[in-house]
Amino acid sequence: DSGVTQTPKHLITATGQRVTLRCSPRSGDLSVYWYQQSLDQGLQFLIQYYNGEERAKGNILERFSAQQFPDLHSELNLSSLELGDSALYFCASSPSGGGIIQETQYFGPGTRLLVL
Amino acid sequence: AQSVTQLGSHVSVSEGALVLLRCNYSSSVPPYLFWYVQYPNQGLQLLLKYTSAATLVKGINGFEAEFKKSETSFHLTKPSAHMSDAAEYFCAVGGMNTGFQKLVFGTGTRLLVSP
Repeated sequence: DSGVTQTPKHLITATGQRVTLRCSPRSGDLSVYWYQQSLDQGLQFLIQYYNGEERAKGNILERFSAQQFPDLHSELNLSSLELGDSALYFCASSPSGGGIIQETQYFGPGTRLLVL
Repeated sequence: AQSVTQLGSHVSVSEGALVLLRCNYSSSVPPYLFWYVQYPNQGLQLLLKYTSAATLVKGINGFEAEFKKSETSFHLTKPSAHMSDAAEYFCAVGGMNTGFQKLVFGTGTRLLVSP
């Protein structure tokens, strides 16, 4: 158990809908990262937040957005969903914003999204 | 741009045999290289990372990897496979020109261990 929690575990929705995925980092971790794992694209970095502010951006679509709240939990919002958005969405956390070289990222179990 | 190529989407070994998972990288700057493991229905777990110190990196669960600049490789090995090693393994590269916080992952190699 990494200490990172994600809810829900599974989500089934329809095209055009909007969903929110939630992540609670390990106790004391200030950074949260979001990743998407799909059959087509593999594992891709989406975005990172550090202490409430966006720190780095990857291959995140404009239909997707994220935020980190004062209690450090994070939400990933996916809107106007398409079939191709079906994937496993991982959240990871790390102690600070020191970057991937200095810090280990701890991954949650993921949220599996199915868009029908 | 940085990238990694993992050779072989599936590797099968017998319990007790050598495990060798291949990863080649492409990078215009000194790379930082990682191996992650993903067990069924779980998130990724860091096995080991190379950050320009020793070229032979030892990780958890008896795994190690050697950075070979001349071959642009970072292959993962374990002398003796255990049934519990069955999982998917991802090689990843990061560095300043991908953005300090970003990892670029390979497509993964599924390790199958038979009794």
